[in-house]
Amino acid sequence: GDSVTQMEGPVTLSEEAFLTINCTYTATGYPSLFWYVQYPGEGLQLLLKATKADDKGSNKGFEATYRKETTSFHLEKGSVQVSDSAVYFCALRIDSYNTDKLIFGTGTRLQVFP
Amino acid sequence: GAVVSQHPSWVICKSGTSVKIECRSLDFQATTMFWYRQFPKQSLMLMATSNEGSKATYEQGVEKDKFLINHASLTLSTLTVTSAHPEDSSFYICSASTLDRGSGNTIYFGEGSWLTVV
Repeated sequence: GDSVTQMEGPVTLSEEAFLTINCTYTATGYPSLFWYVQYPGEGLQLLLKATKADDKGSNKGFEATYRKETTSFHLEKGSVQVSDSAVYFCALRIDSYNTDKLIFGTGTRLQVFP
Repeated sequence: GAVVSQHPSWVICKSGTSVKIECRSLDFQATTMFWYRQFPKQSLMLMATSNEGSKATYEQGVEKDKFLINHASLTLSTLTVTSAHPEDSSFYICSASTLDRGSGNTIYFGEGSWLTVV
């Protein structure tokens, strides 16, 4: 079935370090891919998305490229800040199902220290 | 931007009682809302799709008589956990989608509700 696998956390980094959070997926249809972020005490917020192969989603310095050949959508940021500390969720949506149902990964907690 | 609000954020209830969690879309109408559940260190798992004015659609393995969903208006869906047991303790999150001009459907999530059954 459709699924998302992302690296376990927590990921602990110093400020200005480079961030990569791996995400791979399995899908029978043609998925759109998403990264959501959840800051402490808040709901999930869409960080970025990509709807087709080779698309690159970007927002707030974060980037992820939809790689169909490796079924991956890794999240990267060149220089993290303390304010980036949060839980990051990779997710997919099968657009051919004409639904807004999302399938999530387990979430990866990022902790950035000054 | 669009906001989805859940209430309560935290709830503790005794075994055998029922507890209701509300999900409201604050500045848009949502014909469809989704209820997710998250166990510690696990994925958000979709429980059901809540449709305004009709019965909810439950995912396989979710007991519809235990997790009652009502979507009485375009801005409110409720999840009632009936005869709660400690294994129902979890983090429950709702989402709602709205059609944004030029960008398709956008999904917004509530803050989530922690349920502890003692």
